[in-house]
Amino acid sequence: DAKTTQPPSMDCAEGRAANLPCNHSTISGNEYVYWYRQIHSQGPQYIIHGLKNNETNEMASLIITEDRKSSTLILPHATLRDTAVYYCIVRPFNFGNEKLTFGTGTRLTIIP
Amino acid sequence: IAGITQAPTSQILAAGRRMTLRCTQDMRHNAMYWYRQDLGLGLRLIHYSNTAGTTGKGEVPDGYSVSRANTDDFPLTLASAVPSQTSVYFCASSAPGTSEKLFFGSGTQLSVL
Repeated sequence: DAKTTQPPSMDCAEGRAANLPCNHSTISGNEYVYWYRQIHSQGPQYIIHGLKNNETNEMASLIITEDRKSSTLILPHATLRDTAVYYCIVRPFNFGNEKLTFGTGTRLTIIP
Repeated sequence: IAGITQAPTSQILAAGRRMTLRCTQDMRHNAMYWYRQDLGLGLRLIHYSNTAGTTGKGEVPDGYSVSRANTDDFPLTLASAVPSQTSVYFCASSAPGTSEKLFFGSGTQLSVL
């Protein structure tokens, strides 16, 4: 399994863009990058995923480098409710979620 | 509201007792999962089921059993609870055609004394 590396914690001012990096230097060609977040005491929540193109949805944007060895999750206008642990995960396309490894993620704190 | 329901929300259990954590989903997802979350260790997969009638072992299956008699329900049983099973337990489901993204329940806080 490819593994990911994330900083353990980050701060971001409210209203600013939060940029969360993830390194996945051993990612394979058939592996997607997924992002989830977990707000305190709740179950994790899916945010976004991508293969090699940049992706955007109502929650965030995902920027994947051309060599696919790293990615950045962008929360364009962070609010206090975005304070959470963010998990970057790689997932093989042709396998089920039982192959996922969540790791310990990045604890993002939004500062008022 | 559609989604995953876990019960109980929390439980204190004496060591050696049997306990079943319940998980029900109404999204008709084929795959379901049980995770435990401990401080500093992130989420770890206990057992999973890719479809009704089948189950598989995850990263930390010892001391736990599951069954998948139908699509909606995926109970997790601790036959004889031990203090090391004190944790927060999350149930999740996923389905093809939804990018296989996981939908999680709100968790069960279990304390084994």
